[in-house]
Amino acid sequence: VVLTQSPLSLPVTLGQPASISCKSSQNLVYGDGDTYLNWFHQRPGQAPRRLIYKVSIRDSGVPDRFGGSGSGTDFTLKISRVEAEDVGVYYCMQGTHWPWTFGQGTRVEIK
Amino acid sequence: QVQLLESGGGVVRPGRSLRLSCAASGFAFTNYGIHWVRQSPGKGLEWVAVISFDGNNYFYAESVRGRFTISRDNSKNMLFLQMDSLRPDDTAVYYCAMSPQAGTLYHWGQGTLVIVSS
Repeated sequence: VVLTQSPLSLPVTLGQPASISCKSSQNLVYGDGDTYLNWFHQRPGQAPRRLIYKVSIRDSGVPDRFGGSGSGTDFTLKISRVEAEDVGVYYCMQGTHWPWTFGQGTRVEIK
Repeated sequence: QVQLLESGGGVVRPGRSLRLSCAASGFAFTNYGIHWVRQSPGKGLEWVAVISFDGNNYFYAESVRGRFTISRDNSKNMLFLQMDSLRPDDTAVYYCAMSPQAGTLYHWGQGTLVIVSS
């Protein structure tokens, strides 16, 4: 399964919204009815941190300015108001089909 | 709390072998599948392999199948990755990762760097 993220680079103004798209080459609905689409954030020199799992479930401690949506093959991560700590690279990852795959990553930077 | 600690990285010549380890603590190790994920310098994340909770099932990325072997020792809460016939494009930080939920990765180690170079 190929996950295609866009854009690959996203300059944003502090306080403004940001949106990242993740399109899958296959439907990500698993046989149990769940959709195993995840979003991670990674800062330089650090391991990835999961933000969202099963499309839209936000992890504990993740600010509510982060939101995941989508279904089937099209998914989106939205940041309602970008803060300085949000810079880094964002990856989508699918855990529905083997082998699991990641998107190429979207680098978010402050203008 | 959950801790995953990788070790065994280093510099190795092409064609040689290396064995990575991941020491797990803070959770019921024998209940969960564990994964290896890698990241080449300046590049994105690549899922590498997974092993089931009991070690009886495993799956590999196409790029490493036939060269890498994942295994675990449930008596010692340890995960391993035997890497044979290493190539320069295997150069990466290797992470072990797991999650109590299906279809995702939540807990990650800090990674161990493998450099394949002559």
